Order: sequence, then structure tokens, then C-alpha cells
Amino acid sequence: QVQAVQSGAEVKKPGTSVKVSCTASGDNFPIKKFHWVRQAPGQGLEWIGIIHPSGFGTTYAQQFRGRVTMTRDTSTRTVSMELSSLISDDSAVYYCAIEYGTTYFFDFSGQGTLVTVSS
Amino acid sequence: QSALTQPASVSGSPGQTITISCTGTRSDVGGYNFVSWYQQHPGKAPKLVIFGVSDRPPGVSNRFSGSKSDNTASLTISGLQAEDEAEYYCSSYTSSTSRAYVFGTGTTVSVL
Repeated sequence: QVQAVQSGAEVKKPGTSVKVSCTASGDNFPIKKFHWVRQAPGQGLEWIGIIHPSGFGTTYAQQFRGRVTMTRDTSTRTVSMELSSLISDDSAVYYCAIEYGTTYFFDFSGQGTLVTVSS
Repeated sequence: QSALTQPASVSGSPGQTITISCTGTRSDVGGYNFVSWYQQHPGKAPKLVIFGVSDRPPGVSNRFSGSKSDNTASLTISGLQAEDEAEYYCSSYTSSTSRAYVFGTGTTVSVL
């Protein structure tokens, strides 16, 4: 089973950007799909988007389009999510989650990354 | 498009059976058998307990079961145990143009 280690907590000022990374172990990294999900303090889960295997692009939730960029690097087995124009409402724990094939469910392998947006 | 609707809280005594509902639309829950359920303990990452409406991943207790009728999916926990006390979220693939997946609002399960 693939495990994932995410980058550490971040504190950012409003208007800036944050980049969260997720490094995966296990086999078949190139064919794995990676989702990003966030959870604001005391709130529910919110789907941000997915990065498909190399060459098959990304799909973002509408409310994040234009502000989010997801990338993957097969050589380092790392996926990243960059969110720009941060506001206080973007303060949340950001999770990377793995979809094995086309199965329509997620394995929250990452431990989560706390992003705090504060002036 | 808003989140799938779940009850805010459900409670039961040890050994009892509880059911959590998850209501969506024909564009998500009712249109696809791609409903999954996640258990989340405080401060922890969510853990998959049901996928494909009613399938259990390896290692998940058979006390957890799932079903679906029309636009509503359900998670049933039988033989309730103290360790089941957690937050539960449903999720579904959606044909909405605004997103590909949608989560439920979350349900707090309390073991009395």
C-alpha cells in the first residue's frame, strides 16, 4: 500500500501563495491519481481537485479554478498543490489522498498539512 | 452545488445499531454507485470504511455496512463500540461541472 508524507505546516500572509507537497512510497507511482482535500478548523471535508497520471491533466473544483495548480514529478515521486491569492478562509489542513486506478474513492495516506493564513 | 446532506449527530448505546444517511441528487448519489464513507477521529486523517456503496476495504470491521436507495446512501454500524465514536463523512462522484467529487456535511457519532 502506498504511504505518503506531506510537507510541514505553513504560515502565510493574505495575498501570498502556498505550495504543499506529498511524497509517495510504494509501487506504480506513475499510474496513481492524487486528490487534494482540505478541512478548515472544526469544519467538514472539501474536495479541491485531482491530478491524473502524467499526460492526463488535472481537474479542479470550480471555486478553486484560477487559484490552484497541481503538479507531479515522477522522478521524486512527489505531487504538489499550490494555492495562490490566499485569504483567511484558506486556513485549513490540506490532505493528499490517493486513488488506486479508477475506483472513485480515496486513501488519505498523507498526514495532512496545516496552512494558516494570517496577517 | 452544496454538500451532500447528513444528520449532524447520531448516538447509540454500546451494542446497538445506528444508521447515518447521506442525501444527494441524481447527479451524484442517485446517479452512480461511487459512494464512499470515511471515519475521522479527532486530529487524525480520514479513514475509508466503505467504498462503492457497500464494499469494505480489507481490515475494516464487518460491523460497518453500506447501502443506497435512490438519492440517499446509508452507513450502518452494528454492535456499536466505544471506538466507533468519531466523525463520519460520505462522498460521491458527481457529474456536476463545478467539481468531480462532493463530500457530505459530516455526522458526529456518539457512543452513550
